[in-house]
Amino acid sequence: AQSVSQHNHHVILSEAASLELGCNYSYGGTVNLFWYVQYPGQHLQLLLKYFSGDPLVKGIKGFEAEFIKSKFSFNLRKPSVQWSDTAEYFCAVNAGNAGNMLTFGGGTRLMVKP
Amino acid sequence: IAGITQAPTSQILAAGRRMTLRCTQDMRHNAMYWYRQDLGLGLRLIHYSNTAGTTGKGEVPDGYSVSRANTDDFPLTLASAVPSQTSVYFCASRSTGHFLNYGYTFGSGTRLTVV
Repeated sequence: AQSVSQHNHHVILSEAASLELGCNYSYGGTVNLFWYVQYPGQHLQLLLKYFSGDPLVKGIKGFEAEFIKSKFSFNLRKPSVQWSDTAEYFCAVNAGNAGNMLTFGGGTRLMVKP
Repeated sequence: IAGITQAPTSQILAAGRRMTLRCTQDMRHNAMYWYRQDLGLGLRLIHYSNTAGTTGKGEVPDGYSVSRANTDDFPLTLASAVPSQTSVYFCASRSTGHFLNYGYTFGSGTRLTVV
């Protein structure tokens, strides 16, 4: 079965700092990869997704993620965070053999200090 | 506004009681899902339904049941609640069209506390 690991459970940054959140998955075949964001008190929203093609994917609000197949990784980045980026971030994977199912990582709580 | 409606938004439930969490979508999505969200564990799939009339078990199905009588509704039932079922429950749906349209829509969640 596929699994997703997010190694950083809590991250605290100051505004304008750069962000990188790690995501690793365990599945050797074709994967579809996602990052979701959950702002306080809200439901999950899609930040970006990767299906194929350019491994550097750009999403909303200045976020991007890079798929590195050899490292089974899909790390999320943002050059300069804002206070409004305070949220929980989830990496998710759909493996080729899993039908419609998404497997989520444990999440990373980001706090941005003003 | 198209989307997913979950009810109730929050509930405190006595252990041993039966409870049904409601989920309704108006997007005519074929597939629907129930996840529970627990700190440090992310979202874990409880049950899913690929189309009306069919359901399947996810990663953590024990203690829960679902039904899918029509496209729009996907209720989740706790037959006899236990404290370990205290969690935030999210319903989600997606269209099963071309994979480039792949994407889940999530409801706003139900916060359930079993005491």
